[in-house]
Amino acid sequence: KAGVTQTPRYLIKTRGQQVTLSCSPISGHRSVSWYQQTPGQGLQFLFEYFSETQRNKGNFPGRFSGRQFSNSRSEMNVSTLELGDSALYLCASSLETGRVETQYFGPGTRLLVL
Amino acid sequence: KQEVTQIPAALSVPEGENLVLNCSFTDSAIYNLQWFRQDPGKGLTSLLLIQSSQREQTSGRLNASLDKSSGRSTLYIAASQPGDSATYLCAAYFGNEKLTFGTGTRLTIIP
Repeated sequence: KAGVTQTPRYLIKTRGQQVTLSCSPISGHRSVSWYQQTPGQGLQFLFEYFSETQRNKGNFPGRFSGRQFSNSRSEMNVSTLELGDSALYLCASSLETGRVETQYFGPGTRLLVL
Repeated sequence: KQEVTQIPAALSVPEGENLVLNCSFTDSAIYNLQWFRQDPGKGLTSLLLIQSSQREQTSGRLNASLDKSSGRSTLYIAASQPGDSATYLCAAYFGNEKLTFGTGTRLTIIP
């Protein structure tokens, strides 16, 4: 069974631009969560989607948004990029909501904002 | 505030030794705790998941324990190998249904 895939793997943008990241969960998994990882803040939860509905959201500004499609694939969008948005963005999938399930992570998208 | 802490931030041990990584959390109302490893520049690989009703889980050379009353979890690695070198992260599910991660312990196994 294929693992979680994320595209693109690397991305360079400039301040003020917007970016869309994609995540394809493991087949059959309905929950997708997004995390931001930076050297200073570590891993921080962005949001979780389950059956196309956002179930939970972390403490990030409204510039960060996401959605989930009927096939459980998810996209994350960041508008008006700032230098501080440079990070590794990880998505994770699980069968049901993440509370009691093992989460499986993708390789991440490394975003550099110049 | 629900927090997860991992100390030390870095650890070096000679190959072949047994070692213990520590994880502490502030809220005993924990649903489960998960241990991950992360290799440089890569995503996270799930190692072990311990439900709140369990005390430990084992997988090969790895054994993870959970003590809710003391707010601690440990990951025991037996007979360490250079391939075990990585950053190890613990993450807890509290009642807010999101994973709260520790800052990780960077483990180096010295051949």
